[in-house]
Amino acid sequence: EAQVTQNPRYLITVTGKKLTVTCSQNMNHEYMSWYRQDPGLGLRQIYYSMNVEVTDKGDVPEGYKVSRKEKRNFPLILESPSPNQTSLYFCASSNGLGQPQHFGDGTRLSIL
Amino acid sequence: SQKIEQNSEALNIQEGKTATLTCNYTNYSPAYLQWYRQDPGRGPVFLLLIRENEKEKRKERLKVTFDTTLKQSLFHITASQPADSATYLCALEGRGSYIPTFGRGTSLIVHP
Repeated sequence: EAQVTQNPRYLITVTGKKLTVTCSQNMNHEYMSWYRQDPGLGLRQIYYSMNVEVTDKGDVPEGYKVSRKEKRNFPLILESPSPNQTSLYFCASSNGLGQPQHFGDGTRLSIL
Repeated sequence: SQKIEQNSEALNIQEGKTATLTCNYTNYSPAYLQWYRQDPGRGPVFLLLIRENEKEKRKERLKVTFDTTLKQSLFHITASQPADSATYLCALEGRGSYIPTFGRGTSLIVHP
C-alpha cells in the first residue's frame, strides 16, 4: 500500500531535549516536505527536499533541521526544542510540480 | 505578499444540497490549484487538481472551477452527505515552486 509513515504519532518532551521525527515513503517520490499545522494558521512549510542531498527552507524553518540521505526518508530534527514548537507536524511526498501531495497521519508534539 | 484566502467560518448545509467553498488568492500566478480534504487529527487527502488553462474539472460529486482573472477557485460538492463533513483546503503551486502553499481551510458541516 502506498503510504507516508511518520513516527512517533505523539510525543511529549521537555525544552532543550533533542528529538527526531522520522518520515518514510514507499512511492519512490522525488519530493518530500515537512509542514506544521497550528489553529488559525493552517499548514505552513518548514523544509522541503527535491531529491537526495537537496533540501531547502520553507516559510518557517527556524529551529528545525532536515536531512535527505536516502530517497525514501526525510527526518525532521529539533536540536533544542522550545514550547513554541508545540504543534501538529505533517510529512508529505509527491512526484513534483502539478502532482498530488501524499501526507502522513501526523505527529503531535508537545514541548513543555 | 502572496495570500490565499478561504472562508474561516464553517459552512453549514443540509444533506442533499450543494456545498460551495471558495478559495481566493492575491499576488500569485499559480500553475496548478489543488483541493484536499482533512479530517480531525489526520493528514490532508488529495481530491482534485486543476491547471491554469482549465476552467472546470469534475470527479463524481465534486466539481472545481478556476478563474485566473478573478483569482478564484470554487469547489462544489453536489448531493452532500454527512460523511462529507470535514475541513477542505486549497493549495496553490507556482511554476518552479515544487511544493504547494496551502490555505487555512474551510470547515464543512453537513446536517442530516
